Amino acid sequence: DIQMTQSPSSLSASVGDRVTITCRTSQSISSYLNWYQQKPGKAPKLLIYAASSLQSGVPSRFSGSGSGTDFTLTISSLQPEDFATYYCQQTYSNPWTFGQGTTVEIK
Amino acid sequence: EVQLVESGGGLVQPGGSLRLSCAASGFTVSSNYMSWVRQAPGKGLEWVSVIYSGGSTYYADSVKGRFTISRDNSKNTLYLQMNSLRPEDTAVYYCARASRLDNYYYYYGLDVWGQGTTVTVSS
Repeated sequence: DIQMTQSPSSLSASVGDRVTITCRTSQSISSYLNWYQQKPGKAPKLLIYAASSLQSGVPSRFSGSGSGTDFTLTISSLQPEDFATYYCQQTYSNPWTFGQGTTVEIK
Repeated sequence: EVQLVESGGGLVQPGGSLRLSCAASGFTVSSNYMSWVRQAPGKGLEWVSVIYSGGSTYYADSVKGRFTISRDNSKNTLYLQMNSLRPEDTAVYYCARASRLDNYYYYYGLDVWGQGTTVTVSS
């Protein structure tokens, strides 16, 4: 199975900050990497697919990059509604797996 | 409107069984990949299972041999049969549609989610 490691596990940031979250996989997955946002008590929401493609309706301040084993989710200017937990997921091979999550908190 | 609505969660004793349902509207379950994802209290997301449009099924190691994913095309509904339940299966269970999001490559993403149904395994 492919292992996913996100870093950091949590971070504190202010509105307007640039935020970067990293996801590393235990083997190469090409660009079969998705990013999700989850707010407390809510279902996750797809933000980025294929490592760098923005899902329809997602603000352009979200961006993804990377391929192979190292990936990054960037929020260019953090907004109040962006405080949430973010997960990466690989769909390169079954079983599909998620990272452990990164919680973005208000500083 | 594209929507998924889960049901069937509840309290069950260890070793017991439960069947979760996920009713879809606005799209056809059998034409899509469909998946189950769970989240234990205070924990992260854990992928559970997927059923491909062609019928192939895959499972997380933690549930393999105990859980079965299936669908009823006439009811446009996805199911998760859970047997030999353990306390560590306690979680909110989400069903989700896995859409192919690229016309050339097989990039799939979970783009539609239900609201979740809670399963508690305890004596």
